[in-house]
Amino acid sequence: GEDVEQSLFLSVREGDSSVINCTYTDSSSTYLYWYKQEPGAGLQLLTYIFSNMDMKQDQRLTVLLNKKDKHLSLRIADTQTGDSAIYFCAPASGSARQLTFGSGTQLTVLP
Amino acid sequence: DTEVTQTPKHLVMGMTNKKSLKCEQHMGHRAMYWYKQKAKKPPELMFVYSYEKLSINESVPSRFSPECPNSSLLNLHLHALQPEDSALYLCASSQEGQDYEQYFGPGTRLTVT
Repeated sequence: GEDVEQSLFLSVREGDSSVINCTYTDSSSTYLYWYKQEPGAGLQLLTYIFSNMDMKQDQRLTVLLNKKDKHLSLRIADTQTGDSAIYFCAPASGSARQLTFGSGTQLTVLP
Repeated sequence: DTEVTQTPKHLVMGMTNKKSLKCEQHMGHRAMYWYKQKAKKPPELMFVYSYEKLSINESVPSRFSPECPNSSLLNLHLHALQPEDSALYLCASSQEGQDYEQYFGPGTRLTVT
């Protein structure tokens, strides 16, 4: 099955950019999703990228995909305290029904 | 509207109790999912319903019994649970077909005593 890895923690200063990285193993992953989870809450879909794209920008969010290295990243520009949360990378293999979540990266934004 | 609602928000139950979790969406999605999330861990898929039929059961113990009475509702019936079943139970829905994003509800925080 698919293995998805993320670093567990990231701290940044307010106003700086954050970059959250993810590596995966299944080269047949078609869509790759990023979800955000705040304490005690469900998962909020942030953005996604299709596997034939290298980059997708959506306001403060930029997703980069290196399909050769199976590496995905999420860049948050001008990070705010409200961005503090856990961020999950979730490649979808075969069908979107089969999401494999990474371990999640806890982003802490320092004032 | 991309809202998935779940009730109750919190549930405490004894190991001999029977209870149910409810999930509802009005986005016209025909695929619905149950996930279990333990503290500090990613969500784990439990069940998938497609057009009100169970399509995926990830080897979940029979003390968890899903039900999809119609295309908007998804239930999870609980019976004889163990303390290790305490977790956040998340419901999600998506359009049917390949590669459609899943929208999650806020979850039910379950504690088994």
